[in-house]
Amino acid sequence: GESVGLHLPTLSVQEGDNSIINCAYSNSASDYFIWYKQESGKGPQFIIDIRSNMDKRQGQRVTVLLNKTVKHLSLQIAATQPGDSAVYFCAEKDRAGNMLTFGGGTRLMVKP
Amino acid sequence: GAGVSQSPSNKVTEKGKDVELRCDPISGHTALYWYRQSLGQGLEFLIYFQGNSAPDKSGLPSDRFSAERTGGSVSTLTIQRTQQEDSAVYLCASSPRRGENTGELFFGEGSRLTVL
Repeated sequence: GESVGLHLPTLSVQEGDNSIINCAYSNSASDYFIWYKQESGKGPQFIIDIRSNMDKRQGQRVTVLLNKTVKHLSLQIAATQPGDSAVYFCAEKDRAGNMLTFGGGTRLMVKP
Repeated sequence: GAGVSQSPSNKVTEKGKDVELRCDPISGHTALYWYRQSLGQGLEFLIYFQGNSAPDKSGLPSDRFSAERTGGSVSTLTIQRTQQEDSAVYLCASSPRRGENTGELFFGEGSRLTVL
C-alpha cells in the first residue's frame, strides 16, 4: 500500500554510518522540542526530547542538538541500523503547552 | 489495551457521505489530540481535549469537521459531507495531564480515510 511521506526529503545512509537529520523551527516562543519516528503504517513514536534551556541531550544511540540562535534542531543517530529506516518528524510546543506543531518530516533510508 | 486504539483502520467512502472515526486513549490520560496526515505531508493539528475544559478547535479546517469526547475518554471525529481533499490518515494521540510529563504524545496507528 501507499506509504506516508512519498514526497518528503530523503536521507540515504550506509548501515553503520552516523545520520544527521535537521529541522528548522519558526516559533521563538517554543520551549520544548521532540523528535518522533514514524514507520510505515504506524503512528509516530517518541524518540527524544529537549527543553529550550538545554543545547544538547543524549539518549541511546541518539543525540538531539538545539541551536536557539538560528532556530535549528538536529537529530543524530549513531551507527545507523536498518531498523532506523523511517520518517522522522521534529515537533515544537509553545509555553501555552496545548499542542505540538510538527515539521514536514525527513525520510531516512538505511542501505545494507 | 495498553496503547491508543483507533477504528476503523481503513475507511473508503463516497464523496458527500458522513464518516465517524473513533479513538480510545490510554487509560488515565486526560489529554487527547486529533491530527491529520495527508500523503507526503507532516501532521496537521485538528483539535485538543483536556479533561473537562472546553476543547481547542482551532485546527479544524471547516465546519464539516467536529469532534466529541464523552466521559473524558473515548473520542469521535466526525466529517460531514466528505470531500476528496479529506482523504488522509487521521491520527489520535493521548497524553497524561500536564505537569506529569513534558509533552510526549502517544499516538495510535491512525485511521486511513479515502474519499472517492
